[in-house]
Amino acid sequence: RKEVEQDPGPFNVPEGATVAFNCTYSNSASQSFFWYRQDCRKEPKLLMSVYSSGNEDGRFTAQLNRASQYISLLIRDSKLSDSATYLCVVTRPTDSWGKLQFGAGTQVVVTP
Amino acid sequence: NAGVTQTPKFRVLKTGQSMTLLCAQDMNHEYMYWYRQDPGMGLRLIHYSVGEGTTAKGEVPDGYNVSRLKKQNFLLGLESAAPSQTSVYFCASSLGLGGQYFGPGTRLTVL
Repeated sequence: RKEVEQDPGPFNVPEGATVAFNCTYSNSASQSFFWYRQDCRKEPKLLMSVYSSGNEDGRFTAQLNRASQYISLLIRDSKLSDSATYLCVVTRPTDSWGKLQFGAGTQVVVTP
Repeated sequence: NAGVTQTPKFRVLKTGQSMTLLCAQDMNHEYMYWYRQDPGMGLRLIHYSVGEGTTAKGEVPDGYNVSRLKKQNFLLGLESAAPSQTSVYFCASSLGLGGQYFGPGTRLTVL
């Protein structure tokens, strides 16, 4: 079983709609969680960290469910520029120097 | 402030050839990483460094070597390239826990 699993999608979303997707992780002791965004043929870029109480950054909301071992990302009022692959990232509890475990990504396509 | 840069951007090698990928960062980050990304798979850590002069193996280190002689540079070497090493290689750096900053990537094809 992969340490971090994501639905590859694509999630086809009309412009202005809301889209949400999850990511599951296998290690219950994982400590830090992030969402990265990767545009086609570009490098991953940090979108947001995910905090235990959930957090929001503009149109993006991230949630963490430790009991069920998943994190989620919700995008409101989708823009064409939100089309990208979203990477779920977790750290292992023993990796104090910032080693990240990446999911394979969820593709989001926002259509006019 | 260029962030993280990588050279070259593209390279085609024949099986058995060697090459070195260069990563440079100007953010004074202690930690640097080399990943490879293949279709349908998440980024996989090849080697990493927690400071100048130190290196360590990641998840998929076989066939690669690294060096961190200067804090700002992290080199990835392929001594004898194989077709299985065809991939996109990303370098990243960070201060520690938290977000990593990635370079633009190197697209390597091994024939």
